[in-house]
Amino acid sequence: AQSVTQLDSQVPVFEEAPVELRCNYSSSVSVYLFWYVQYPNQGLQLLLKYLSGSTLVKGINGFEAEFNKSQTSFHLRKPSVHISDTAEYFCAVLLNTGGFKTIFGAGTRLFVKA
Amino acid sequence: DTAVSQTPKYLVTQMGNDKSIKCEQNLGHDTMYWYKQDSKKFLKIMFSYNNKELIINETVPNRFSPKSPDKAHLNLHINSLELGDSAVYFCASSQDRGPYEQYFGPGTRLTVT
Repeated sequence: AQSVTQLDSQVPVFEEAPVELRCNYSSSVSVYLFWYVQYPNQGLQLLLKYLSGSTLVKGINGFEAEFNKSQTSFHLRKPSVHISDTAEYFCAVLLNTGGFKTIFGAGTRLFVKA
Repeated sequence: DTAVSQTPKYLVTQMGNDKSIKCEQNLGHDTMYWYKQDSKKFLKIMFSYNNKELIINETVPNRFSPKSPDKAHLNLHINSLELGDSAVYFCASSQDRGPYEQYFGPGTRLTVT
């Protein structure tokens, strides 16, 4: 069965520190991978995606993620966070099994402290 | 020029009532979705429509009925509302021949009292 696991439910970090939000997936088919961000009282918006090609993808707001096929991971990183990065972050996998289906992880709450 | 819009943004109603939430996208996407997000932020797919055809129908009570009059609209009707239906409901759309990512509406916070 396909699944997405976000290993940390909450990540507190001080402003200007680096951060990594971890995501692992399991799938027997090829996948496309996404990270979405949800700011308070808003819908989700795309941070970045991996479809093919370079395994290091860069997204908006200084975030990047690396696809590691052997470890089935797609961890999100930012070298220096801001207070405004406080939000819920969702890892997602798009499966093509005859029809497209997206599976979302349970989310990681990033809390940036001054 | 909102890409995915939902109405209403807030909905407070009593148990047993029937309510609808409307969703419209102006992105020309062929697929639309309804998600339920609970208080712990867990996002659960409810339905997916592709070109007005139901594609995904997860284990959702049949009190929930989606309707897609055209591929730019996907409405959600809920009958006999229960306390457990209280959540934030998100509409989303995507283009399944690429670029694949989903665009989300702002959400409708439903409170059943």
